[in-house]
Amino acid sequence: RKEVEQDPGPFNVPEGATVAFNCTYSNSASQSFFWYRQDCRKEPKLLMSVYSSGNEDGRFTAQLNRASQYISLLIRDSKLSDSATYLCVVGQGGKLIFGQGTELSVKP
Amino acid sequence: GAVVSQHPSWVICKSGTSVKIECRSLDFQATTMFWYRQFPKQSLMLMATSNEGSKATYEQGVEKDKFLINHASLTLSTLTVTSAHPEDSSFYICSASPGRINQPQHFGDGTRLSIL
Repeated sequence: RKEVEQDPGPFNVPEGATVAFNCTYSNSASQSFFWYRQDCRKEPKLLMSVYSSGNEDGRFTAQLNRASQYISLLIRDSKLSDSATYLCVVGQGGKLIFGQGTELSVKP
Repeated sequence: GAVVSQHPSWVICKSGTSVKIECRSLDFQATTMFWYRQFPKQSLMLMATSNEGSKATYEQGVEKDKFLINHASLTLSTLTVTSAHPEDSSFYICSASPGRINQPQHFGDGTRLSIL
């Protein structure tokens, strides 16, 4: 079993759609959780950290369920510029473990 | 915000060449930096943790004699791919953080290495 698993994707959605990404992690001792965004042939960029209380940043909402070892990212009113690969990332033992990423393509 | 610079962005060279990649933290000191490799359509895989003033910690399956890491100062880590072969062609990315461990990492722009 992979340490961090994400929806395989790709997700193809129209502009304005709401899209949800799911992620599970295997190590219950994981300490920190993030969503990163990676554009094609570019480095990952931090989208947001994820907290147990849930957090929101504009159109983006992230949630963490430690009991289920589950992380989610919700994007509302998706834009063309949201097209990218979304990486679920878990911090444990001083290292970051990356999921395989879920590709999102937002169409006009 | 924290900036990490990586150089070079692209390298194309013949098989057998050794290639050095630099990773610099521009506005903060980093006692720890990380080196990743990413093959097409795959996620980032941690290769090693670079520790300032001490030996790097390599992940299982990564040859330390093949991928030499030097972290001689608080703002610079280098990765040298020795005697590179076509199978070493990949996207190499470094990261660092000005905060404590398990904090968000800031990534360099990455180095696209192509070995002919």
